[in-house]
Amino acid sequence: QQQVKQSPQSLIVQKGGISIINCAYENTAFDYFPWYQQFPGKGPALLIAIRPDVSEKKEGRFTISFNKSAKQFSLHIMDSQPGDSATYFCAVPVNYGGSQGNLIFGKGTKLSVKP
Amino acid sequence: NAGVTQTPKFQVLKTGQSMTLQCAQDMNHEYMSWYRQDPGMGLRLIHYSVGAGITDQGEVPNGYNVSRSTTEDFPLRLLSAAPSQTSVYFCASSYWTNGEAFFGQGTRLTVV
Repeated sequence: QQQVKQSPQSLIVQKGGISIINCAYENTAFDYFPWYQQFPGKGPALLIAIRPDVSEKKEGRFTISFNKSAKQFSLHIMDSQPGDSATYFCAVPVNYGGSQGNLIFGKGTKLSVKP
Repeated sequence: NAGVTQTPKFQVLKTGQSMTLQCAQDMNHEYMSWYRQDPGMGLRLIHYSVGAGITDQGEVPNGYNVSRSTTEDFPLRLLSAAPSQTSVYFCASSYWTNGEAFFGQGTRLTVV
């Protein structure tokens, strides 16, 4: 059972273009939706996250859009730069065992920004 | 401030051997977790802990054991390594499940 569906698997964008990555989920323990960024050989690091009180959050060139009724959220990278080339993961808090909310990750999107 | 420290960084095991992957954090986080990362599969939750003495299973717990005797340490034990456990393992910690998760640098494990 795939609880978190992320698309596309890979994305090639020209420098200065817009990168869009989508995530759809089935269930969530609570409304907290983060995106993580991972460079080769490194652990993932939090890029941006959204909580339920807003439908959009912007931090610099990165924006999360959230559609609660559709159970979807997306990451937009404006003015994409070669330094943004990395793998991006969405995550959703899901209940496992007795805990309220463990982060379950999508399968990742490998973004390549061409100069 | 070291954050989350994982050791070793690389390990090669023979099938049937056992080993412990170490994870330590210095941020006084209650919540810690282990993930494995395989190509095309993303990060899958193995085990997690909500505090010292409390652990539970995640998505793919078979073949792994954990314990949490202190807030700082959360080791992952492979009881009898199998080639299917070849993967990159990440430990993460956070103040709670709805907060930023800090990941270690990972342990690349190969089972031959």
